[in-house]
Amino acid sequence: QVQLQESGPGLVKPSETLSLSCTVSGGSLSSYYWSWIRQFPGKGLEWIGNVYETGSTMYNPSLKSRVTISVDTSKKQFSLSLSSVTAADTAVYFCAREPGGDHEYIGGSYRYVGAWFDPWGQGTLVTVSS
Amino acid sequence: DIQMTQSPSSLSASLGDTVTITCRTSQSINSYLNWYQQHPGKAPRLLIYAASSLQSGVPSRFSGSGSGTDFTLTINNLQAEDFATYYCQESHSTSFGQGTRLDIK
Repeated sequence: QVQLQESGPGLVKPSETLSLSCTVSGGSLSSYYWSWIRQFPGKGLEWIGNVYETGSTMYNPSLKSRVTISVDTSKKQFSLSLSSVTAADTAVYFCAREPGGDHEYIGGSYRYVGAWFDPWGQGTLVTVSS
Repeated sequence: DIQMTQSPSSLSASLGDTVTITCRTSQSINSYLNWYQQHPGKAPRLLIYAASSLQSGVPSRFSGSGSGTDFTLTINNLQAEDFATYYCQESHSTSFGQGTRLDIK
């Protein structure tokens, strides 16, 4: 079955860029959206954004100015870059597959809705500290 | 933005009990509502998708219902492995509820 594994530095300095990768095994990246989600120390969950196999992306509006998600299908990886980090970005970062959705025309653009997250990677803790 | 209200925030129950967790959204999301279970130190696990569809491999004592703005997760005949934290997630604009911690009474 499909498995996901996050990798990247566990400690990032304030104002620098957080970079993580997610490697997919046991299946292809084709025909799915792939997401990044984070969980804060207080346990709240926040969706960061996703990427399709074509490289098309959607981001959480609250993070859009700082986030870049990309995909490398040859390596079966997708990646997260979050710039200008602060202590508030300290969290466990998960990658996940996002099946089941469809595209609906909402608010002047097409959006991917109705999906869910399955499976998830095990998560990686990233601490922002000097 | 869609606001989500999940309740209760915590819940104590005994083995064999039936419990219900609710999730309310600030606007209609049709059936775009999913439920997850999370044990400490683990990733969330999908239980229910599209409000009422049971994910493959999930025991049938878990069930989901609702549409529009009001949704429910019910767990019948609680087993030891069910004591965990549960999250709802709306998949219209993609946000999560605050979580419900279920522990043993």
